[in-house]
Amino acid sequence: AQTVTQSQPEMSVQEAETVTLSCTYDTSENNYYLFWYKQPPSRQMILVIRQEAYKQQNATENRFSVNFQKAAKSFSLKISDSQLGDTAMYFCAFMKPIAGGTSYGKLTFGQGTILTVHP
Amino acid sequence: AAGVIQSPRHLIKEKRETATLKCYPIPRHDTVYWYQQGPGQDPQFLISFYEKMQSDKGSIPDRFSAQQFSDYHSELNMSSLELGDSALYFCASAETGQGSNYNTFGSGTRLTVV
Repeated sequence: AQTVTQSQPEMSVQEAETVTLSCTYDTSENNYYLFWYKQPPSRQMILVIRQEAYKQQNATENRFSVNFQKAAKSFSLKISDSQLGDTAMYFCAFMKPIAGGTSYGKLTFGQGTILTVHP
Repeated sequence: AAGVIQSPRHLIKEKRETATLKCYPIPRHDTVYWYQQGPGQDPQFLISFYEKMQSDKGSIPDRFSAQQFSDYHSELNMSSLELGDSALYFCASAETGQGSNYNTFGSGTRLTVV
């Protein structure tokens, strides 16, 4: 079974600064996907960024980027130029493909990190 | 773009009552997942369906059942409700083999058991 660990229950950052959220995971799989989801006070689950384990290049999406270290089983999220709207709970999640890699399986989430962006 | 639709948004039930949650996936999505998120907790996988067949099962109580219908919508049936069932229930959908379509979440149904 896979486990995902987020060791930072809460983080805070000043507007326009950079913050990094940590995530480690444990799996014996070689092919898998990793995600960061954002859950603002509205409780909607919003995909921030994803990483395929077979890709060595770190994923980036505008102000969001990841540092994927497969050997260390680490998957951190860096938010640059933080904005007030980034205030939310952030979940790291693991997914193992099924059906020969063509179908997506269930998500296993970490405990979450509450990020507060201060003006 | 069409999103995952969940109904109702809010539901209040008494202990021992029955509740039915509905999920309408994104068109062409053939896989549906159900998650339960308790207060202050991370979402926990309950059950999933692919092409109307159960594809995986997580920590779903025996009091709960679910199915996916011919139009791909899914329903989560919860009986003998307990106070501990109060949670946010998410449905997510995905399209097999499509790299960009995976676990798109609905807005959730907030169930309160009193």
